Amino acid sequence: DTGVSQDPRHKITKRGQNVTFRCDPISEHNRLYWYRQTLGQGPEFLTYFQNEAQLEKSRLLSDRFSAERPKGSFSTLEIQRTEQGDSAMYLCASSSPRGPSSYNEQFFGPGTRLTVL
Amino acid sequence: AQSVSQHNHHVILSEAASLELGCNYSYGGTVNLFWYVQYPGQHLQLLLKYFSGDPLVKGIKGFEAEFIKSKFSFNLRKPSVQWSDTAEYFCAVNQISGNTPLVFGKGTRLSVIA
Repeated sequence: DTGVSQDPRHKITKRGQNVTFRCDPISEHNRLYWYRQTLGQGPEFLTYFQNEAQLEKSRLLSDRFSAERPKGSFSTLEIQRTEQGDSAMYLCASSSPRGPSSYNEQFFGPGTRLTVL
Repeated sequence: AQSVSQHNHHVILSEAASLELGCNYSYGGTVNLFWYVQYPGQHLQLLLKYFSGDPLVKGIKGFEAEFIKSKFSFNLRKPSVQWSDTAEYFCAVNQISGNTPLVFGKGTRLSVIA
C-alpha cells in the first residue's frame, strides 16, 4: 500500500501522560499536514511541513504539542501532559507540487484516534 | 480568515433521489475548492476539486459540483443517490497558491435509505 499511513490507529491514555503519533506520507510527497477532528466537526489544521521545515502552526497547537519531520520523510506529533480535551482523531495528509493530475490534492491517512481518560 | 459553511448537518434521502449539498466559503482572495468524502470506517477521500476553468466539475461516482463565484458557493450534486453513498461529506478550501492547509466545513452526514 503506497498511501499515507499512521501509527498507532488507536491510543488510550490517562490524563497527564505523554503520547506520540507517527505519520508516513506518500513517498516523495514533500508537504505533510497534521489536522485534528473532533466529533461533529470537520478536520482542523494544526501544522504543516515542507520537507523538514515546519512552515506554519495553528493557534490550536498549544505549547504542549510539538511536531517534527527530521529527515523530511515521516513525521511525529507529540502531546505532552494530555488533557481530556485532547481526545480527537489526529489526521495526517501529504501532497506534492509535482504532477498535474494530483497537484494540490492532499491525501489523507486513516488517522489516530486518541482517547484521554 | 477563511471559513467554510455547510448548511445541512444531516440529510436523509431515499435511493434514486437527487442530492444537493450546500457549501459557502468566506475568503478575500482566490481559492481552490474541494469536496472530500468519508465512508463509514474509512479515511477521507477526494471526490472532486476546482482550481480554475469550467466552473462545473465532475468527480468520481457520478458527483459534480458547481462553483458560483458571485455567491461564494461550491454546491455538490448527484442526480440519483445510491445506498453506497451513505457517508460524511466535507467541503474544503485553500489558497490559490496551492499546497497550503485546507479549511474544512463541519461536514454533512448523508444517509441513503432503501
